[in-house]
Amino acid sequence: GEDVEQSLFLSVREGDSSVINCTYTDSSSTYLYWYKQEPGAGLQLLTYIFSNMDMKQDQRLTVLLNKKDKHLSLRIADTQTGDSAIYFCAESRGTGRRALTFGSGTRLQVQP
Amino acid sequence: GAVVSQHPSRVICKSGTSVKIECRSLDFQATTMFWYRQFPKQSLMLMATSNEGSKATYEQGVEKDKFLINHASLTLSTLTVTSAHPEDSSFYICSARDPLGGDYNEQFFGPGTRLTVL
Repeated sequence: GEDVEQSLFLSVREGDSSVINCTYTDSSSTYLYWYKQEPGAGLQLLTYIFSNMDMKQDQRLTVLLNKKDKHLSLRIADTQTGDSAIYFCAESRGTGRRALTFGSGTRLQVQP
Repeated sequence: GAVVSQHPSRVICKSGTSVKIECRSLDFQATTMFWYRQFPKQSLMLMATSNEGSKATYEQGVEKDKFLINHASLTLSTLTVTSAHPEDSSFYICSARDPLGGDYNEQFFGPGTRLTVL
């Protein structure tokens, strides 16, 4: 099976909070990331968390990491229509110049 | 943040031709770049790791003679899809890591190249 899994689709109303979930299998993951991809575009790093952290907050974004359950979540507060995109979680194992392993992506649709 | 560009952004070619895609780090030197492939509504799959001055490392199942990678300088890696066929149609994305960046292995992604093989 896949190393990193996400639900495929999430729909929320503008102003609500969005929570996107991700599970991973490799306990040696060092860093975990959230990327945003808008249609036809590349990936934009939103935030990342080191594996020894439980939570990280950056303005409207809150990342929660449950290392025991290998569960990562991204909460977007006050979701806006401009937040509509595909969100990928990704993991990096070890240190150095390593490629990332991506989840399947969650399409977030924000309804006005 | 650092910027990675790709050229072309979109290419349409006939079956059997070869297509070269360039990936450039614009304001930093990248000893390592990565090439990913993304099928519609799917995740990014790593194809190969491009190392400046040495041979690329390909992932299992990726044909190195089909997807030629050249990383001739610290700011440029090229991916050449040789004798392209319709099944090679995909979105190709490169990324580069700034070795002087933070410890969190941040990679900067290019905007992608959409290849359509007729």
